[in-house]
This record gives sequence, structure tokens and C-alpha cells, in this order.
Amino acid sequence: VTLKESGPALVKPTQTLTLTCTFSGFSLSTTGMRVSWIRQPPGKALEWLARIDWGDDKFYSTSLKTRLTISKDTSKNQVVLTMTNMDPVDTATYYCARGISAATAETGFDYWGQGTLVTVSS
Amino acid sequence: EIVLTQSPATLSLSPGERVTLSCRASQSVGNYLAWYQHKPGQAPRLLIYDASNRATGIPARFSGSGSGTDFTLTISSLEPEDFAVYYCQQRTTWPPLCSFGQGTKLEIK
Repeated sequence: VTLKESGPALVKPTQTLTLTCTFSGFSLSTTGMRVSWIRQPPGKALEWLARIDWGDDKFYSTSLKTRLTISKDTSKNQVVLTMTNMDPVDTATYYCARGISAATAETGFDYWGQGTLVTVSS
Repeated sequence: EIVLTQSPATLSLSPGERVTLSCRASQSVGNYLAWYQHKPGQAPRLLIYDASNRATGIPARFSGSGSGTDFTLTISSLEPEDFAVYYCQQRTTWPPLCSFGQGTKLEIK
């Protein structure tokens, strides 16, 4: 299983950020599979952003849901996150991660991408 | 929104020592809690899922316990590679929204 994030390293304030997570070793069409986006501003804690499930259910952070959209392209093994109205406080390393795949497991992200640093600056 | 509070913020210990990290939830999360190890420049590593289950490949010196609002991660004997930041993470039952604690930094004394 591998995941890799891609997208712009630099965006301007008010612009829309689009990040792509390209994964291998599993399929998002398989029952139970799910992928989340998580970010970490420099020197700060991890923050969960959004999740998409095999059945196309989508869930968003309460504080950011008005700015986020998550989608998937099962044929390409990709998950895309868009975040509107970017601000310098959104500067962070953005990770995609797979929800744990184990028989009865419910909580945890078992595989992560290496992350991509996005800087918001004019 | 469920808030996770980790304590202490920083811990200075020596290799070979036993350490217990705490994570407290603002309301019950059942056993929907995970622990991660995070080193600079690397992706977080899942250690414990569903409060007490070791993830694949995680050494037996790592153990998790607790349920409801109080959880602990114990490292029975610190190895040099264990010095890192540790995060707890919860998810609500439905909708499955997640949050992380603010982290505990484990540093070499």
C-alpha cells in the first residue's frame, strides 16, 4: 500500500487549493475502504480535514466544511481535496491516509503519504 | 466537537525507562481511539488502534489501554528510536468525524 500527495507548493491568499492523493495497493471500490486528508501546520498538531468512503459517503471537519470538497476517481485510484479561500494560516503539510483495514478495526489511519507542504503567501 | 487533551506536553526520559502518556477526551469516545508516533520529516506511524490493539509490525513494548474518556499509551522500556512526538486521535460514532490531541513530545534526557 502506498499513497502520494501532489499539488502546488505555493498558493496565493483567496485562491483555491487542489490536492490529489494517488494510491496503490488497495481499491476505493472495496467495501470498507476509506481515505482521509489530514494537515499539520509548522510546529503545530495534526488536524483531520475530510474523509471519503468506498460508497462515496463524505465527511468534513466541522470547522472547515464550508471550504472543503473531497471526491474520488476510483478508476485512477485517486482522491482529490479542494480547499477554497486559502489563507496564510492554511500553510501546512497536507497528508492523505487510509482508514485502517482490519477485520474489526474502527479507528486509525494505517498508511500515510509522505505529505506535501503547501505555503500560502502573496 | 470532541477535544482530546494530552499530558504532559513534554517528557524528558532516558532509554530503558518506562513511560505512560495520557489522552483525555471531552466526552466519551468508547474505544474509538488511536495512537501515533511522529518523527520530523516522516509520516505519522500508527501504533495502537481501537484503544488497545497494536498495529501490524509494532513492537510489544507499546501498549494502549482505556475506554470512554481516559486513555494511556505505555512504552515499557524506551529505545533510542522511540523519542518522537505522540498523538492520540478519536473518531465519533456517526458521523465519523475525527480529531487529534495536541501531542506529547518525548525527548531524551
